[in-house]
This record gives sequence, C-alpha cells and structure tokens, in this order.
Amino acid sequence: EAGVAQSPRYKIIEKRQSVAFWCNPISGHATLYWYQQILGQGPKLLIQFQNNGVVDDSQLPKDRFSAERLKGVDSTLKIQPAKLEDSAVYLCASSRTGKGGYTFGSGTRLTVV
Amino acid sequence: DAKTTQPNSMESNEEEPVHLPCNHSTISGTDYIHWYRQLPSQGPEYVIHGLTSNVNNRMASLAIAEDRKSSTLILHRATLRDAAVYYCILRVDNYGQNFVFGPGTRLSVLP
Repeated sequence: EAGVAQSPRYKIIEKRQSVAFWCNPISGHATLYWYQQILGQGPKLLIQFQNNGVVDDSQLPKDRFSAERLKGVDSTLKIQPAKLEDSAVYLCASSRTGKGGYTFGSGTRLTVV
Repeated sequence: DAKTTQPNSMESNEEEPVHLPCNHSTISGTDYIHWYRQLPSQGPEYVIHGLTSNVNNRMASLAIAEDRKSSTLILHRATLRDAAVYYCILRVDNYGQNFVFGPGTRLSVLP
C-alpha cells in the first residue's frame, strides 16, 4: 500500500509569515495525527483526528496553529504567524483504527528565519 | 502516560548483535511495549511490540522481563542501515491513546 504522503518536503519562511503543510494518509485510515519534532527531541503530538473530528488537540498552540481534515481524508496544518521556535520537522501519521501501530510520513522540515 | 528510560546513545559493530535496553518500572498491566525507530531524515517506523511474552519478527526480537519493568530490543545482526534513533514507548491499546515519544537511543553502527 502507498505510504503517508506529505508536502512540501522543506520550507523556509521568515518569522511572522504563514505556512501550510499537507498530509494524505493511507487509504482507509480513519485516524490521523500531526506531530512536531524539534531537533534532538522525540516527536510531540499536536493534534489527533478521527475521520474529520478532533480527538485530542490539547497540545496544539491554538493562538497560531490550526489544522483541519475535511471529508476525513487529507489534512492541512497551518501556522500563522510563525515564530523562530516553530522551526522543526512536522510529521503526519495515520492509523486504521487508532489502536495498534501508526505509519508516519517523511515529514516537512520547516525553518523560520 | 508511563515513562520509559533509555540510554542516550549506543554503538555497535556491523554484523554483531545489538541489545537496546528500556526501563519502565511504573508500567501498568494494560501497557503494551512498543518500539519504533527513526532513520535519518525519515519519520519513525514501527519495529515491534509486545505485552508479556517475548516477540520475534523479521526486523528484531523483543525480550520482556518477567516483572515487565524492563525490556530489550534485540537486533540479531546489525547493519549500517540500522543506524537510527530507537524509541521505546508504553501505550494502552485503546482507541484515542497516543504514542508519547521520549528522546530515544541513538544507535551508531560501525563498519
């Protein structure tokens, strides 16, 4: 089966600009996750969707980050405005049921200058 | 979420076995032990998971202590492609439970 697709692969923006990341999960996977991974650390969950509903967004900085999953398939994660500390790799993962293992995409590396 | 403790880094020689330890002294009876690894410039990938019994698959073996307070991921013959960060994670296998990643163990494989 095809993996989790993410784009773009890399993005460089200036602080206070906005940016959006896109994720296409594995077909049939109902649960979708966005993680943030700062250099040298393990990934940290930002938001979890079940179909097009939010299950957990407790660690999402809602003053600047937003995410949506229209029609329960693709998802976008947006940052507006970006700060220097948002420089990280943004990983998308999906799971068929929310139980068992996840499949991760290769991530989008964001650099804020 | 229950915590795990792993060494920051380990080294191995190519074609030798590697034993990656993980301590989880506060594990609960419903926590599964999962291992993921992250190769350079890639997202984490599933390696293996278990509850009480030792587990084997084509990638690795998982040895779980009888009291479940520690476990060991075993790579039987390390290759250069096994150089990665290895994460040991506890998770209840219920809907809505997420994987909480620690810093993991960075494994270097020497030729």
